[in-house]
Amino acid sequence: GAVVSQHPSRVICKSGTSVKIECRSLDFQATTMFWYRQFPKQSLMLMATSNEGSKATYEQGVEKDKFLINHASLTLSTLTVTSAHPEDSSFYICSARDPRDNSEQFFGPGTRLTVL
Amino acid sequence: AQTVTQSQPEMSVQEAETVTLSCTYDTSESDYYLFWYKQPPSRQMILVIRQEAYKQQNATENRFSVNFQKAAKSFSLKISDSQLGDAAMYFCAYRNSGGGADGLTFGKGTHLIIQP
Repeated sequence: GAVVSQHPSRVICKSGTSVKIECRSLDFQATTMFWYRQFPKQSLMLMATSNEGSKATYEQGVEKDKFLINHASLTLSTLTVTSAHPEDSSFYICSARDPRDNSEQFFGPGTRLTVL
Repeated sequence: AQTVTQSQPEMSVQEAETVTLSCTYDTSESDYYLFWYKQPPSRQMILVIRQEAYKQQNATENRFSVNFQKAAKSFSLKISDSQLGDAAMYFCAYRNSGGGADGLTFGKGTHLIIQP
């Protein structure tokens, strides 16, 4: 199957700083990528849909000014958590859709963010 | 909006036995995809099986099979000959079929324990 990577796998930052998480499709071009958030012992919640060359689409309740998404190329989407606070601590997972297979999304390994 | 419900927070099964995980969903769409994902302690999301709503035949992947009841909006996962490596969180997920631009809606998950 297709491979999606995320970087970093783990990040610890101080409150008030910004953190950037990268999501890359390694062996296919992804016009659409998705960002999910998973709190401990909970399910994945879709945050936003990242579209190459256009603005991201955010789910209801997700602050677009806090979670900046950029999808500047067909293989890279970035999520920037701006002015991070302890309540932003979570596991962030991206997925990418391979246009050759409309049914499936391929998940990255996730990024654990801890805000002190 | 679509919803996915998993009513079993935790299930336990003896190794080599069969276990069924339940999932119901709600949608007004007629064409969509349903998925079962496995999330081991590494937190990497692994696709177990998928079902296209327009296909009446239940999907099967080796020891994993589904019972898809479209009218009842039910999508259960049966794991036969359970193995220790099957222990994980299992998430049922839904996606609209059109265009692939929709993210996944997940259930809350079922923690599967395999007793040796």
